[in-house]
Amino acid sequence: NAGVTQTPKFQVLKTGQSMTLQCAQDMNHEYMSWYRQDPGMGLRLIHYSVGAGITDQGEVPNGYNVSRSTTEDFPLRLLSAAPSQTSVYFCASSYSLEGYGYTFGSGTRLTVV
Amino acid sequence: EDQVTQSPEALRLQEGESSSLNCSYTVSGLRGLFWYRQDPGKGPEFLFTLYSAGEEKEKERLKATLTKKESFLHITAPKPEDSATYLCAVLNNDMRFGAGTRLTVKP
Repeated sequence: NAGVTQTPKFQVLKTGQSMTLQCAQDMNHEYMSWYRQDPGMGLRLIHYSVGAGITDQGEVPNGYNVSRSTTEDFPLRLLSAAPSQTSVYFCASSYSLEGYGYTFGSGTRLTVV
Repeated sequence: EDQVTQSPEALRLQEGESSSLNCSYTVSGLRGLFWYRQDPGKGPEFLFTLYSAGEEKEKERLKATLTKKESFLHITAPKPEDSATYLCAVLNNDMRFGAGTRLTVKP
């Protein structure tokens, strides 16, 4: 089925470990973004991309890296995990933000201990 | 800085009891106002986009309206399956979300 696929669904990390959250979409969308969702704070934008090779920072980029080598994939790297990065992470993609909004993945629940 | 505030945080309704959710916003250049529905353990699902004051859109029991400072999501005769968190977002340079309203509809 077409959509946004995120892996893994759940992850527990120790403080200081690094990891990559995977995101892939098969809809040929140019726009892709990463959000984190915390209770009472809504979705906050981490990084976004308007096309392959182009990325930019959102509201809360510190501690995260991204790259966009293909249209389909947009991985999010945690460089040195901290307990403050415990959250639910959503990847989203769009053909045209103004016309269609985002299609979201099902999320990755990350716990840093 | 762009800001989105949703109220109330939580709303409990009886089946058939109509109500409205509010989204107030501050944005320098509004390219669109979005409503999403989010079920527990899932990603948000797109509902509507509104572009200019006075615009309205409807989908089943939901109707979204837009003014220059706020948007309302009206729910008419809700059913238990309408229970979810409803998120509002504004698009300027990027998409900024409110914290959401958690709606519970009791049978």
